[in-house]
Amino acid sequence: EADIYQTPRYLVIGTGKKITLECSQTMGHDKMYWYQQDPGMELHLIHYSYGVNSTEKGDLSSESTVSRIRTEHFPLTLESARPSHTSQYLCASSDSKDSPGGVTYEQYFGPGTRLTVT
Amino acid sequence: KNQVEQSPQSLIILEGKNCTLQCNYTVSPFSNLRWYKQDTGRGPVSLTIMTFSENTKSNGRYTATLDADTKQSSLHITASQLSDSASYICVVSDRGSTLGRLYFGRGTQLTVWP
Repeated sequence: EADIYQTPRYLVIGTGKKITLECSQTMGHDKMYWYQQDPGMELHLIHYSYGVNSTEKGDLSSESTVSRIRTEHFPLTLESARPSHTSQYLCASSDSKDSPGGVTYEQYFGPGTRLTVT
Repeated sequence: KNQVEQSPQSLIILEGKNCTLQCNYTVSPFSNLRWYKQDTGRGPVSLTIMTFSENTKSNGRYTATLDADTKQSSLHITASQLSDSASYICVVSDRGSTLGRLYFGRGTQLTVWP
C-alpha cells in the first residue's frame, strides 16, 4: 500500500460552496498530480507539481486551483462548486527510477475523493 | 495524438477461469507500459510495469506481455478469483516527458462470478 492519503473520501455539497480536497504523502516524492475520473472513463490530468512552489495545469481544463507549500501536501480547491464538478478526484505522487528505457516514474495513487455537487 | 485503447470494454467470467485483456497504444516515443487494477471507489494500484526491452512480466496470477513493434500489450489472469473483479487499466508513458506523463486507457471492467 502506498503512503498517500486523501480526505474526505466522500463529499456531498451544495452549489456555490467553496471546498478543499486534501492530499498528503509521506514518501518524500517531489512530483504530485491531481486527476479527474468519471465513471467508465479514463483518468484526466488536471494539475501537477514538480515540487514546492511549482504548480501547472494539466491536459483537462479545470476550474479548480492547487497549491504546493510543503512537499507532502497538495490540496485542490474549488472556489464555487457546481454540479458539473461532480466526479471522482484522484491524487498521486511519483518517484523516479533508472531503467533500460530511460527514467521511469512510478505513480502511486490515493484512494480518491468522490465529490457530488447538488 | 497519443492514445491508449483497451478491449474488451467489459468482461464477465466464472471463478477459476482464465482471461486475457488487450491494450493497443500509439504513444511515442515509448518509455514504459503499466497495468493497474482499480477497485470500485479506490485509486489504481500498479500490477506490472514493462519497458521496451521487456516482453513479459508476471506478478502472481497476472502475466503481462508487450510487443513494442506492434504496440500491443495483454494482461492474462489465471485461475480468476472473486477479488479480481475490478477495472484493469493500461497506462503508457512517453520517453520525452520529465513529468512522468501517463496516458490512460478507459479500462476493462472485469466481473468474476462464483
